[in-house]
Amino acid sequence: KNQVEQSPQSLIILEGKNCTLQCNYTVSPFSNLRWYKQDTGRGPVSLTIMTFSENTKSNGRYTATLDADTKQSSLHITASQLSDSASYICVVSTPGGSNYKLTFGKGTLLTVNP
Amino acid sequence: NAGVMQNPRHLVRRRGQEARLRCSPMKGHSHVYWYRQLPEEGLKFMVYLQKENIIDESGMPKERFSAEFPKEGPSILRIQQVVRGDSAAYFCASSQGLFNYEQYFGPGTRLTVT
Repeated sequence: KNQVEQSPQSLIILEGKNCTLQCNYTVSPFSNLRWYKQDTGRGPVSLTIMTFSENTKSNGRYTATLDADTKQSSLHITASQLSDSASYICVVSTPGGSNYKLTFGKGTLLTVNP
Repeated sequence: NAGVMQNPRHLVRRRGQEARLRCSPMKGHSHVYWYRQLPEEGLKFMVYLQKENIIDESGMPKERFSAEFPKEGPSILRIQQVVRGDSAAYFCASSQGLFNYEQYFGPGTRLTVT
């Protein structure tokens, strides 16, 4: 069973609209949670990194939230643009000597249409 | 500052041949990680290397796969006697340090085994 589950699998929205992507994780213990954007045919690019003590982190039009008690995170995208079309991946790392080992979700494929 | 470089970007091999994937980390980065992304799956950790040392290869199949990061030159992921199931995207990432340092990903090598 994947320790990082994302929903929805895919999402289609119109340009200018907002959307929220969800991530539930069972990875424990937990060090930090990251959201990556992966364009088709490219490597993942980091959007936000949050430690367990942080509730929210923003990066431009991207805002990530984290509830470490319920092990849930969300990524909110405001005023979407065509260039936001990509896969958004939730990634969790564990603390200590193995915190380089990232556990990836399968991603949510976002399509922004004009 | 050039990002993480991977080559080739696309590689086609027949069953039984060898595949060599190369990764040049970002300038100043001495930590390299390899990940594999099978179709419809999230990225999975394979191996973590520092210069001339394999630190953690717990995610790498025991047979046919090997990795190195020599003192000079790129990191190499080598797959011997490839099979159809090896078809995947292989991503390399690098970081400046170990604990809580950002991992920067390359564009990936897409391996197709015919």
